Amino acid sequence: NAGVTQTPKFQVLKTGQSMTLQCAQDMNHEYMSWYRQDPGMGLRLIHYSVGAGITDQGEVPNGYNVSRSTTEDFPLRLLSAAPSQTSVYFCASSYSPSGVQETQYFGPGTRLLVL
Amino acid sequence: AQTVTQSQPEMSVQEAETVTLSCTYDTSESDYYLFWYKQPPSRQMILVIRQEAYKQQNATENRFSVNFQKAAKSFSLKISDSQLGDAAMYFCAYRAVTGANNLFFGTGTRLTVIP
Repeated sequence: NAGVTQTPKFQVLKTGQSMTLQCAQDMNHEYMSWYRQDPGMGLRLIHYSVGAGITDQGEVPNGYNVSRSTTEDFPLRLLSAAPSQTSVYFCASSYSPSGVQETQYFGPGTRLLVL
Repeated sequence: AQTVTQSQPEMSVQEAETVTLSCTYDTSESDYYLFWYKQPPSRQMILVIRQEAYKQQNATENRFSVNFQKAAKSFSLKISDSQLGDAAMYFCAYRAVTGANNLFFGTGTRLTVIP
């Protein structure tokens, strides 16, 4: 298993540009999520999905869109990038959307710089 | 709303000594899970230890143990026999039992291990 993969590893955008951060997992996990990590802020949940076709907002959803057309993929879209979206983005997944022993597996992160 | 607070932005420990990282949280839930994650310079998020709130016994994983004080809403991490490889950012995280597998993180503590 490759686990949770994210592409690209690093991206520079200009203000107003759009882009999609890719996240994929090959573990047949139902639950997937996106977090952003900013200095001094820890990780904050952007959006999450409890299965194909089902998504919901987290703590900081503004400026981001998601969709979940397959179990494996959970892309994060920035429609019009802003400097405030400069951050490190992590994708995470777990087998079940809930449950006692569910462990989340994190991807390696995507570093995004918006100029 | 649940909040997780880590009041020590930075800590240092001498190699082979013991260090304790602090975490407090606020929640109205009676049952939940608490976690400590390690983030080395590679940025990979690694689960260190997990505690289920309904269990009175403190969790341990080799050199890592927790002091869980439910009434005080405190969840500290003790690292014994510190090693150079323990140097990293450490994040405390909370997850409710009900609902989706969403994590709420503290702001992190940077641990330096002095040879």
